[in-house]
Amino acid sequence: DGGITQSPKYLFRKEGQNVTLSCEQNLNHDAMYWYRQDPGQGLRLIYYSQIVNDFQKGDIAEGYSVSREKKESFPLTVTSAQKNPTAFYLCASSIRLIDGYTFGSGTRLTVV
Amino acid sequence: DAKTTQPTSMDCAEGRAANLPCNHSTISGNEYVYWYRQIHSQGPQYIIHGLKNNETNEMASLIITEDRKSSTLILPHATLRDTAVYYCIVRSSNAGNMLTFGGGTRLMVKP
Repeated sequence: DGGITQSPKYLFRKEGQNVTLSCEQNLNHDAMYWYRQDPGQGLRLIYYSQIVNDFQKGDIAEGYSVSREKKESFPLTVTSAQKNPTAFYLCASSIRLIDGYTFGSGTRLTVV
Repeated sequence: DAKTTQPTSMDCAEGRAANLPCNHSTISGNEYVYWYRQIHSQGPQYIIHGLKNNETNEMASLIITEDRKSSTLILPHATLRDTAVYYCIVRSSNAGNMLTFGGGTRLMVKP
């Protein structure tokens, strides 16, 4: 079955360490996205990519970086510059930017 | 993109219809209304979207008023598994416009 996979489901890191969250899709979607969700809040866009080797900053890109070397993969690195990295991170994909999104099941990152 | 206003929370009895309202009074002609829901600690799930005509699929119905300033998502026979946060999102069809998720409505379906 086609889908979008995020791993791991839970991730713990020490403060000051960079950490990379994985997002893989086999839906043949061109567009991919990363959102952050804090407790009781809506989703906020971090980065998005319309096509391989291209990505754009979203509303809260500071302290994050991404790459899009393959159509199927859009990893997110949470760097030590991100002041409050503890959050629930959601990856999504769509055929094109204007289409509905398919979301992964999320990665809950805790920085101690 | 136009902003939306939704009630913070709603209750519904199991087996009854759940009617979730959304106001989008500043919607413009090329903006679609999307509905997603998020069950606790999971990724959001697409439900339905529409432009100006009412839409129905296997999950829900979307009723959009004639002036398009408001809409209602209808779950015809709510079950306990429909307990979730429901997001109403307005987005244009222009490339570069992302889905923007606000606070949504927390629907509690009770036995």
